[in-house]
Amino acid sequence: DAGVIQSPRHEVTEMGQEVTLRCKPISGHDYLFWYRQTMMRGLELLIYFNNNVPIDDSGMPEDRFSAKMPNASFSTLKIQPSEPRDSAVYFCASSRDSNQPQHFGDGTRLSIL
Amino acid sequence: GDSVTQMEGPVTLSEEAFLTINCTYTATGYPSLFWYVQYPGEGLQLLLKATKADDKGSNKGFEATYRKETTSFHLEKGSVQVSDSAVYFCALLISNFGNEKLTFGTGTRLTIIP
Repeated sequence: DAGVIQSPRHEVTEMGQEVTLRCKPISGHDYLFWYRQTMMRGLELLIYFNNNVPIDDSGMPEDRFSAKMPNASFSTLKIQPSEPRDSAVYFCASSRDSNQPQHFGDGTRLSIL
Repeated sequence: GDSVTQMEGPVTLSEEAFLTINCTYTATGYPSLFWYVQYPGEGLQLLLKATKADDKGSNKGFEATYRKETTSFHLEKGSVQVSDSAVYFCALLISNFGNEKLTFGTGTRLTIIP
């Protein structure tokens, strides 16, 4: 079975540009999670969805960040405008239900210059 | 609130040494407990889990026992290998609608030297 697929694997862009990260969860998984990982702050949950509906976005750092899940097989995390402090590895994860383990993608390493 | 406290790293061991990474938790309910592993350049992978008190999770030679009395879930392995070098995360989950979030520890970096 295919795991969680994220794209791109690496993104380098200049500050002020819009950045879009993409995620395809495992088929049949009802939950989708977006995380950010940095050396300073560790692993932070940004937002999660249940059946395509955002349930908790309290971890989204500011209005520059937005996430959507238009259907069960696709989600995006958008940063507009991007800033150097947004540089991090962003992970998407999915799970079958709330009691099941989360499966992580390989992440997108984002560098904002 | 719910929290997980992990042993500070980094941890460096020789091959075939015994490993313990401590993890304690604070939770308002009855959590499920997990250990995840992150190899360089990859996402987190579930290593093992336990869903109730006294359960023992095990995988790839690693074990952890859910101890309710000490609110702990320490990770152990009897003989580590170089390939075990990674970052290990302890996590808990209390599943209530609107709160289906994993709470992670800060991670412990493990390096095994030949």
